[in-house]
Amino acid sequence: EDQVTQSPEALRLQEGESSSLNCSYTVSGLRGLFWYRQDPGKGPEFLFTLYSAGEEKEKERLKATLTKKESFLHITAPKPEDSATYLCASEAGGYNKLIFGAGTRLAVHP
Amino acid sequence: IAGITQAPTSQILAAGRRMTLRCTQDMRHNAMYWYRQDLGLGLRLIHYSNTAGTTGKGEVPDGYSVSRANTDDFPLTLASAVPSQTSVYFCASSVTSEPTDTQYFGPGTRLTVL
Repeated sequence: EDQVTQSPEALRLQEGESSSLNCSYTVSGLRGLFWYRQDPGKGPEFLFTLYSAGEEKEKERLKATLTKKESFLHITAPKPEDSATYLCASEAGGYNKLIFGAGTRLAVHP
Repeated sequence: IAGITQAPTSQILAAGRRMTLRCTQDMRHNAMYWYRQDLGLGLRLIHYSNTAGTTGKGEVPDGYSVSRANTDDFPLTLASAVPSQTSVYFCASSVTSEPTDTQYFGPGTRLTVL
């Protein structure tokens, strides 16, 4: 069964303390790995799509990378406004069906 | 451009009642989706529609039905609500149903079934 697992479940950082979030997937023949940000009480907001192993994408303090079995979301010098839940999803089986991980809750404290 | 709108924002419903969650998009996207989000489980696909006039079942379709009469609207109906359907429901859309197309999400409907 295709699965997406995110770790850690929760992460607390001090402002400026860089770290990484992990997303491991079991989908074979992956064609797309997606990262979303979700603020409390809001819908997921699209961040990145990665298509193949070795690909990297950046946006402000965030950089997403992809290997054949996992993806990382690196957060460099985070600020309190980066606090959110970060969701990872892989496509599975056509028709743009996504399998989501449970998310990592990130709290950045000043 | 509003993107995706969902209504109601939240609802408390008695078990056994019928309820329709509304979803409208103004991006002329062909594909639309309904997910539910529960603590610790992540988002799970309920139903999807690749184009107007077609629908399909996702991972957790039991107890839910959908219709897609036009491009913009994709309502989700609970025919007889049960407490296990208490969840946050998100509608999403993408330009096409291609696996690599980005899905964009609405703000969600928080549903409580008592």
